[in-house]
Amino acid sequence: AQSVAQPEDQVNVAEGNPLTVKCTYSVSGNPYLFWYVQYPNRGLQFLLKYITGDNLVKGSYGFEAEFNKSQTSFHLKKPSALVSDSALYFCAVRGGQAGTALIFGKGTTLSVSS
Amino acid sequence: GAVVSQHPSRVICKSGTSVKIECRSLDFQATTMFWYRQFPKQSLMLMATSNEGSKATYEQGVEKDKFLINHASLTLSTLTVTSAHPEDSSFYICSAPIIGGKGPAEKLFFGSGTQLSVL
Repeated sequence: AQSVAQPEDQVNVAEGNPLTVKCTYSVSGNPYLFWYVQYPNRGLQFLLKYITGDNLVKGSYGFEAEFNKSQTSFHLKKPSALVSDSALYFCAVRGGQAGTALIFGKGTTLSVSS
Repeated sequence: GAVVSQHPSRVICKSGTSVKIECRSLDFQATTMFWYRQFPKQSLMLMATSNEGSKATYEQGVEKDKFLINHASLTLSTLTVTSAHPEDSSFYICSAPIIGGKGPAEKLFFGSGTQLSVL
């Protein structure tokens, strides 16, 4: 069975500091990994995904994530946080063939203080 | 570009009534639609997968008679919450994949969500 773990309910960082939001996964076969962001009462916005290729994936709004197969991790990072980055972040995984549903982590609330 | 349009964005209803949520794929054909449910400050839980022209596949623990899914065309999937109760209050989101390109590459589009409040 596929699963995603986001061990932190909340991450607090100061504006301008680097941020990391952690994600580990469990999936049979090759993982397809995603990060989404959600603002209050809104749908999901796609940030980035790892399918294959370079372990460091660059995405929207200056975010990036590093795929680490040995640690089964896909942590989301940003070199310099903005107050506007404050939101709920979801890591998601799917395995198997294209067109199957994503399995989401529980989400991590990022709070960036000015 | 491709978009999934979800309506309504917010609905308030009385207990015992039924509510229909629509998701339309714009500029692409959605042969598959995923329906998720999200409680406040919690994750998205997959409820069911609908496929155009066939019966939906429900996840374990989801009442199929409670949450009726219809995917009658390639551009429209609907979720009807029947005889709604306060515990059905939640945020419902649909999602449709576009499959194509090389290998397993795909794009996944999400609706903007529907906040259901049952009084």
